[in-house]
Amino acid sequence: EAQVTQNPRYLITVTGKKLTVTCSQNMNHEYMSWYRQDPGLGLRQIYYSMNVEVTDKGDVPEGYKVSRKEKRNFPLILESPSPNQTSLYFCASTKTGFLSNQPQHFGDGTRLSIL
Amino acid sequence: KQEVTQIPAALSVPEGENLVLNCSFTDSAIYNLQWFRQDPGKGLTSLLLIQSSQREQTSGRLNASLDKSSGRSTLYIAASQPGDSATYLCAVSLQGGAGKSTFGDGTTLTVKP
Repeated sequence: EAQVTQNPRYLITVTGKKLTVTCSQNMNHEYMSWYRQDPGLGLRQIYYSMNVEVTDKGDVPEGYKVSRKEKRNFPLILESPSPNQTSLYFCASTKTGFLSNQPQHFGDGTRLSIL
Repeated sequence: KQEVTQIPAALSVPEGENLVLNCSFTDSAIYNLQWFRQDPGKGLTSLLLIQSSQREQTSGRLNASLDKSSGRSTLYIAASQPGDSATYLCAVSLQGGAGKSTFGDGTTLTVKP
């Protein structure tokens, strides 16, 4: 089954403790992206990757890092999480990026709570 | 900076009604516009994607239209059913902004049996 898988689905942690949210897709998509969703602010793009070893900032990259060492995986790293990063996070992938006019596929989300 | 607005924020209708959801955007130089459905506790499911050169797309009871010049898109749902209850979001990607997209806040639809 074609899917985007995020782990963990839920995480409660404390300020300053480094964490990684993994994202994996099995569709051989070149393009992957991370979003956060907050009430009243909608979905905002954090980082995206057009292909292996190619990443770029979205609208809200501060406090986050990403890497794309292989096509299927695109982990989101919070080096020193803070309470304002408490949010619902989504990973998405597309076959060849927006310029190809292909729809995005989303994971089920990761709910992070930073205390 | 592209801004995307969806009106209304919430909508409640009886089963069987036809309805229209609205999406407006400030920068008409878009590459495509996509409509998504989001169920509680779930990710987004793509419903329809309209390329900038297209005027509309249809899938079953759903029809999405695009008017780039006026910065508007509508999602028409025919003969609504309780299973259509969800939040509907639109997202636009800009020409030249490869990989960047902007989402609206969504319209939460409730279809009452």
